[in-house]
Amino acid sequence: AQSVTQLDSQVPVFEEAPVELRCNYSSSVSVYLFWYVQYPNQGLQLLLKYLSGSTLVKGINGFEAEFNKSQTSFHLRKPSVHISDTAEYFCAVSDRKAGTALIFGKGTTLSVSS
Amino acid sequence: DADVTQTPRNRITKTGKRIMLECSQTKGHDRMYWYRQDPGLGLRLIYYSFDVKDINKGEISDGYSVSRQAQAKFSLSLESAIPNQTALYFCATSESGTGAYEQYFGPGTRLTVT
Repeated sequence: AQSVTQLDSQVPVFEEAPVELRCNYSSSVSVYLFWYVQYPNQGLQLLLKYLSGSTLVKGINGFEAEFNKSQTSFHLRKPSVHISDTAEYFCAVSDRKAGTALIFGKGTTLSVSS
Repeated sequence: DADVTQTPRNRITKTGKRIMLECSQTKGHDRMYWYRQDPGLGLRLIYYSFDVKDINKGEISDGYSVSRQAQAKFSLSLESAIPNQTALYFCATSESGTGAYEQYFGPGTRLTVT
């Protein structure tokens, strides 16, 4: 069975500062990895995904994430955040072979202030 | 028009009432999912369906049932609602065969059980 741990429930940062949202996963099989964002009062939107190939993946809105197999991590980064990045961010994993449903972490609330 | 729609968007009901949440999609995907979101707990899988005749329980299926009326429609029912089923419910879809199982989410239904 897979599991996902998002190491920080809340991350407050100032505008234009860099940010890293941490995600670790546990799985006995190969996985696909995803980051989703949920803006206030909205549904979830895919930020980026790791399927295979380059371990550094780029997503929308200037976000990127790096897959580290040895550390079973998939941390999300942005070099300079904006007020509009304030949202909840979810890391998720799915079984590459079985294609089962996503397993989500509990979420990290990113709060960007001026 | 939205690819994944959910009705109703908001619903207040009383303990013991039966309620149905509906999900429709125009993406042509074969897989559909129901999740609930609770603050601090992330998204948890209730049921998922890989095609019309394939329905599976998720992590928290007790107290819920589903119906896949057609490839495009997947309904979630609460047979006898209780207050701890107050939550935000999301429907999602994905396409098999692409190898990625990326999911697309509806806007959510906010359910309150009094």
